[in-house]
Amino acid sequence: DAMVIQNPRYQVTQFGKPVTLSCSQTLNHNVMYWYQQKSSQAPKLLFHYYDKDFNNEADTPDNFQSRRPNTSFCFLDIRSPGLGDAAMYLCATSRAGTPYNEQFFGPGTRLTVL
Amino acid sequence: EDQVTQSPEALRLQEGESSSLNCSYTVSGLRGLFWYRQDPGKGPEFLFTLYSAGEEKEKERLKATLTKKESFLHITAPKPEDSATYLCAVQERRDDKIIFGKGTRLHILP
Repeated sequence: DAMVIQNPRYQVTQFGKPVTLSCSQTLNHNVMYWYQQKSSQAPKLLFHYYDKDFNNEADTPDNFQSRRPNTSFCFLDIRSPGLGDAAMYLCATSRAGTPYNEQFFGPGTRLTVL
Repeated sequence: EDQVTQSPEALRLQEGESSSLNCSYTVSGLRGLFWYRQDPGKGPEFLFTLYSAGEEKEKERLKATLTKKESFLHITAPKPEDSATYLCAVQERRDDKIIFGKGTRLHILP
């Protein structure tokens, strides 16, 4: 089945220790998104790629970076995690340019910062 | 400022007790409104897309409707397995930005 896969599902890191989260998709969608979701809050868009074009949200901290080496993969790098970065990180994809803009989400990576 | 507001924040219903969840929005131009279901510890699962006022979509016990200012997710005769958080998201026509609401936590008691 076509899907969005995130690894790892659970990540524990130490304060200030860089961490990388990965996302892969078999849907061949041209848009990929990274969201941060804290408990009982709305998913907050960090950035998205439209094909290779990177779009950063204005309020996304510089501590967060992203890479998309090809259509299928996208990475979220947190350079120096703080306690406030503990959250669920969601990857999503969509096919832009069609009437159907719904996003398909991965299962998420739960990040704990010690 | 563009906003998406969902109400109530939480809702407890008895099995079989029908109700509605609300999503009100203010955007300069609507490209689409989406409903998602999110189970604890999982990513959101797509339910419906609505594009224009008056549109309705149905799936099993769920029915989504759309007006120019709000959308309703009607749940008919819910079962315990319908318990989840239901998220509403709005896509702006101006820049395709997607804005999520905080969700409604629905709990169906057997």
